[in-house]
Amino acid sequence: DVKVTQSSRYLVKRTGEKVFLECVQDMDHENMFWYRQDPGLGLRLIYFSYDVKMKEKGDIPEGYSVSREKKERFSLILESASTNQTSMYLCASSFWGQNYEQYFGPGTRLTVT
Amino acid sequence: AQRVTQPEKLLSVFKGAPVELKCNYSYSGSPELFWYVQYSRQRLQLLLRHISRESIKGFTADLNKGETSFHLKKPFAQEEDSAMYYCALSGLGNTPLVFGKGTRLSVIA
Repeated sequence: DVKVTQSSRYLVKRTGEKVFLECVQDMDHENMFWYRQDPGLGLRLIYFSYDVKMKEKGDIPEGYSVSREKKERFSLILESASTNQTSMYLCASSFWGQNYEQYFGPGTRLTVT
Repeated sequence: AQRVTQPEKLLSVFKGAPVELKCNYSYSGSPELFWYVQYSRQRLQLLLRHISRESIKGFTADLNKGETSFHLKKPFAQEEDSAMYYCALSGLGNTPLVFGKGTRLSVIA
């Protein structure tokens, strides 16, 4: 059974803090993704990665960066958190060429105050 | 440009009534279309893909290239169908999925 885990279910941070969201998958998937999920806006892709040390910008990369030092781990970094980054963050993974079947983590609800 | 449109943010139906969740897409090539579902307090998961032509949990979806639509249908809604549904499009190769904004289905007892 595929497992995608995220480091925190709930996180509260202050404006200006540096925030790290971690995602780990145990299925040897090449692809990993970070989305944010907001009511009325659906799922929006922030960044994705096809391989270790590789990253590609998604639709809304501004204010975010990512790191993929190991195949199983994909980190999302908010360099200086802002209130408009309050959201649900979802991580997902898939095999190369099979992005249609993404396995999602449980999500991290981040609140920036 | 690839685009997926789900015109309804919220759809409420009575238990036992038919359900149709609308999805329209824009894509210049030959797309693959999918439906994802997220039940309350559960992870987002793949529900079905048009290529498989399966019925999953009583739901079906037919790709209509002429109308560029991929509507999700179920003849008799159940309370356990209440969830958030996302339509998604896949292009060539390893490109990321493009998701619609989602429709929340509420089945009323």
